[in-house]
Amino acid sequence: EVQLLESGGGLVQPGGSLRLSCAASGFTFSYYSMTWVRQAPGKGLEWVSTVYGNGAFTYYAASVRGRFTVSRDNSQNTLFLQMNSLRAEDTAVYYCAKDPLTSGGHYLDSWGRGVLVTVSS
Amino acid sequence: EIVMTQSPATLSVSPGERVTLSCRASQSISSDLAWYQQKTGQAPRLLIYDAYTRATGIPARFSGSGSGTEFTLTISSLQSEDFAVYYCHQYDDWPLTFGGGTKVEIK
Repeated sequence: EVQLLESGGGLVQPGGSLRLSCAASGFTFSYYSMTWVRQAPGKGLEWVSTVYGNGAFTYYAASVRGRFTVSRDNSQNTLFLQMNSLRAEDTAVYYCAKDPLTSGGHYLDSWGRGVLVTVSS
Repeated sequence: EIVMTQSPATLSVSPGERVTLSCRASQSISSDLAWYQQKTGQAPRLLIYDAYTRATGIPARFSGSGSGTEFTLTISSLQSEDFAVYYCHQYDDWPLTFGGGTKVEIK
């Protein structure tokens, strides 16, 4: 059974940094692209970033490009999202999700439970 | 950026009724469309991918149709556990984008 468990969320001041992690199990992690999707309170879903299975290719939403960095450690079955220069509008629940293929840009067939990031002074 | 527009925003339905949700893409996305269900306080769950293929474990009362720019999710007979928000998602091109969602509520 696929399991995705996010961690690292919390309260951070504007301009601060946070690193999210997503521990994966139940599948061959290195095989599949992974994606971060966020959801602001009471709002819809917003794609944030995708990294290919081998980590060679990464994609970012315009709203986070240059501030967020996605990475993965395939030896530890873990996905990361380094978030710098955080803004109030980055406040959201962040979900990690699994792509069905090794190359990214597909539907998301499994999701974690999400972790809340709050950016506020 | 491909804009996904869902309608209606809210649908009030009685259990047992047939439900049709719409999703429109601002340009053709072939069949690169997925539908997700999200219940309050939970993560989204994949229902349909490639416009009409049901994901593993999804009941047959859920069906998807369409291609190009117009897509539909149909629930043939709404069950109590189906009251939720439904999102469409295009993966034809970067950036990946989602529709704003349709909330299916009890009438």
